[in-house]
Parts: sequence; C-alpha cells; structure tokens
Amino acid sequence: KAGVTQTPRYLIKTRGQQVTLSCSPISGHRSVSWYQQTPGQGLQFLFEYFSETQRNKGNFPGRFSGRQFSNSRSEMNVSTLELGDSALYLCASRQQTGSETQYFGPGTRLLVL
Amino acid sequence: QQQVKQSPQSLIVQKGGISIINCAYENTAFDYFPWYQQFPGKGPALLIAIRPDVSEKKEGRFTISFNKSAKQFSLHIMDSQPGDSATYFCAAEGDSNYQLIWGAGTKLIIKP
Repeated sequence: KAGVTQTPRYLIKTRGQQVTLSCSPISGHRSVSWYQQTPGQGLQFLFEYFSETQRNKGNFPGRFSGRQFSNSRSEMNVSTLELGDSALYLCASRQQTGSETQYFGPGTRLLVL
Repeated sequence: QQQVKQSPQSLIVQKGGISIINCAYENTAFDYFPWYQQFPGKGPALLIAIRPDVSEKKEGRFTISFNKSAKQFSLHIMDSQPGDSATYFCAAEGDSNYQLIWGAGTKLIIKP
C-alpha cells in the first residue's frame, strides 16, 4: 500500500496570504489528523477528521481550518499567514479514530516571509 | 494534565551501548503510548507502542518499559547503532480526546 502523501512538499508564502495543503491518506484509512511541528513548540495537534466530520480540534486560531472529502483526502487551509506559521505541517492517517497507530506523511514545509 | 514530559533533550551514546529515553504523564485516562522516530526531512515513523495492560514490550532491539503506578514509560535501544541517530518522540492518547499528546523529543546521536 502507498503511504500517506502530502502536497506540496515545500511552500514559500508572504504574510497575509493564504495557503492550502493537501493530504492523501493510506487506502482504507478514514481518519486524518494534522499536526504542526516547530523547533520551539514541538509537535502540536491541529485537528482530526473522520468520515468528513471534524472530531477534535487543537488550540489554534480560526485562521487554521480543514476539511475532508468523501474519498478521505483532506486539506488544511491557513488564512492571513503570519511569520509564526512557518513550520512543518504533518498529516497522519489511521483506519479509525481513537487510540490506534497513526501513519505520518513526509510533511509540507511552509516558510512565511 | 495533558502534558507528556520527555527527557533527556539530547543524548550521546557509543555504538553498541544502551540508549534510554524517559517519559512521564499525568492523565490516567491515557491508554495508548507510542514512540516515534523521526529523521531530518521526514515525518515521524512509529517505532513501538504499548498499552497500560502490559509492563514491557520488546521488538527487536527496541523495548518499552511501562510503569503504570508511577505514570512513566521509557524506551530502551539495545546495541545502539549509528543508523539509530534520530529524534525520538514519546506520545500518549486517550481520554476520548483522540489526539496524540507529544513529548518534546530527544535528539539521539550514536557515536561510531
């Protein structure tokens, strides 16, 4: 089976712009979670989607949003980008929601100038 | 109560030695404790995971020890190899929250 794929892998944006990141989960996985990774804050949970419904959301401002499609693919959007949004954004998938192994993609490296 | 505290922040071990990384948690509702390995430029990859009903789990050179009463768990890497040099993260999940709570990470360097 193919692993979790994320596109694009690298992205450079300027402050105030918006960005959309895409994640394709492992075939058969219905849950997709998004994490932000920075050197200062480590790995932080953004949100999880299961069967097109947001199941849980972390402590991020409303500028961070996401959605999941019927084929389980997911997108996250960040509007009005700030310098502090520069990070590695990781997507993870698993078959069900709950305490199960999450499989991570390679991430999208976002740089905000 | 949602925190997972990981130590040490960095670790240097000689090839062939034992690498030990420790984590502590507070939320007794956590019921799943994975360890992830991350190489530069890659996403985290599951190394080994444990649930609270067992005190130890071994997979090859990697062992998780779990102490439920102390709310601590640790990763032991036996016969450490230079290829094990990476950042290791412990995590915990449960309490109907369905999100991984991460430790801060340990940068492990194995000296040849």
